Amino acid sequence: GAVVSQHPSRVICKSGTSVKIECRSLDFQATTMFWYRQFPKKSLMLMATSNEGSKATYEQGVEKDKFLINHASLTLSTLTVTSAHPEDSSFYICSARDGGGRTEAFFGQGTRLTVV
Amino acid sequence: GDSVTQMEGPVTLSEEACLTINCTYTATGYPSLFWYVQYPGEGLQLLLKATKADDKGSNKGFEATYRKETTSFHLEKGSVQVSDSAVYFCALEVNNNDMRFGAGTRLTVKP
Repeated sequence: GAVVSQHPSRVICKSGTSVKIECRSLDFQATTMFWYRQFPKKSLMLMATSNEGSKATYEQGVEKDKFLINHASLTLSTLTVTSAHPEDSSFYICSARDGGGRTEAFFGQGTRLTVV
Repeated sequence: GDSVTQMEGPVTLSEEACLTINCTYTATGYPSLFWYVQYPGEGLQLLLKATKADDKGSNKGFEATYRKETTSFHLEKGSVQVSDSAVYFCALEVNNNDMRFGAGTRLTVKP
């Protein structure tokens, strides 16, 4: 199957700083990428959907100014957690669909963010 | 809204035991149903899927049948192996851009 690489896999940052998480499709062009967040013992929650070259669509309750999403190319989307706080500590995972008609979504390995 | 509820873990089994992980869904439309598996340190991988009622998805000895009457998509395997240890996610998709996931069930298989 296709490969989606997410980086970093783990990050610890200080409260008030910003953290950038990258999601790359390595062997296909991802016209649409999705960002999810998982709380302990909870479902993966869709945060936003991004299409290459356009603004991301955020789910209700997700602060767009706090979680900045950029999908500047067909192989890269970034999620920046701005002014991070301990409550932002979570597991973030991206997925991507290609433009070649395959309907399957391919997932990155996730990023464990800890804000101290 | 659309949602998925799956059996809470963790689940610990001995090798060659039978596995069932329950998954039920709520959807207003006609969803496709999926099971994803996440091995340690890796991303979610599609394990199997079913796109309409009575379809059976199968892969690597795992099976799940789309039951519309009970709104269920339980994951089963007759004989688990140590290498099956992972976290399993049930998911539904009503359109190509909206997937809903269960909370995940961690499976540990002991030799």
